[in-house]
Amino acid sequence: GAGVSQSPSNKVTEKGKDVELRCDPISGHTALYWYRQSLGQGLEFLIYFQGNSAPDKSGLPSDRFSAERTGGSVSTLTIQRTQQEDSAVYLCASSFRRVQETQYFGPGTRLLVL
Amino acid sequence: AQSVTQLDSQVPVFEEAPVELRCNYSSSVSVYLFWYVQYPNQGLQLLLKYLSGSTLVKGINGFEAEFNKSQTSFHLRKPSVHISDTAEYFCAVSDRAAGNKLTFGGGTRVLVKP
Repeated sequence: GAGVSQSPSNKVTEKGKDVELRCDPISGHTALYWYRQSLGQGLEFLIYFQGNSAPDKSGLPSDRFSAERTGGSVSTLTIQRTQQEDSAVYLCASSFRRVQETQYFGPGTRLLVL
Repeated sequence: AQSVTQLDSQVPVFEEAPVELRCNYSSSVSVYLFWYVQYPNQGLQLLLKYLSGSTLVKGINGFEAEFNKSQTSFHLRKPSVHISDTAEYFCAVSDRAAGNKLTFGGGTRVLVKP
């Protein structure tokens, strides 16, 4: 079946602009995660949605970062007033509800802030 | 907070030789352990996972890993590598008490030489 999809695959923006990154999880997966992969910081957890529960935002690096998940499916990660240090690959993953379930990752969105 | 250490950032290895990638984690509480592989310009793919039970876990593509609770290690091995195993490998842990978010190691880049 279809895997996790993310769009756009690449995004180039100017410092100070806002960007939106989209994630379509695997159908039926109730848990959705955002991670960031950068040269300096490696792979970092950003935010986690599970069903209708309040999201775990503990990994968001600043208040310029926010995310929402509409209808328990598609998620959008928004970065306001982008900075050069936001340049990274943003990865989305989804899984079934149970804690031990495997997370399936999308191909990522490569963000470059000039 | 969890931490995961991958002791080798790069591992060059000749084709058909064995390889071992080392991973140590910090937590002494119950955790789930994972190895993911990232091929060039692709997303993360699960190789194998340890949830409970037998400490020797077999995964895809001939990889296996051994969970050692006393040493808090989860080393990955393959007895004979192929050129196609050239990739970056990430060890990750999820803490049952902290939801399912993954904490990743810094990655080990494996370069298989002919």
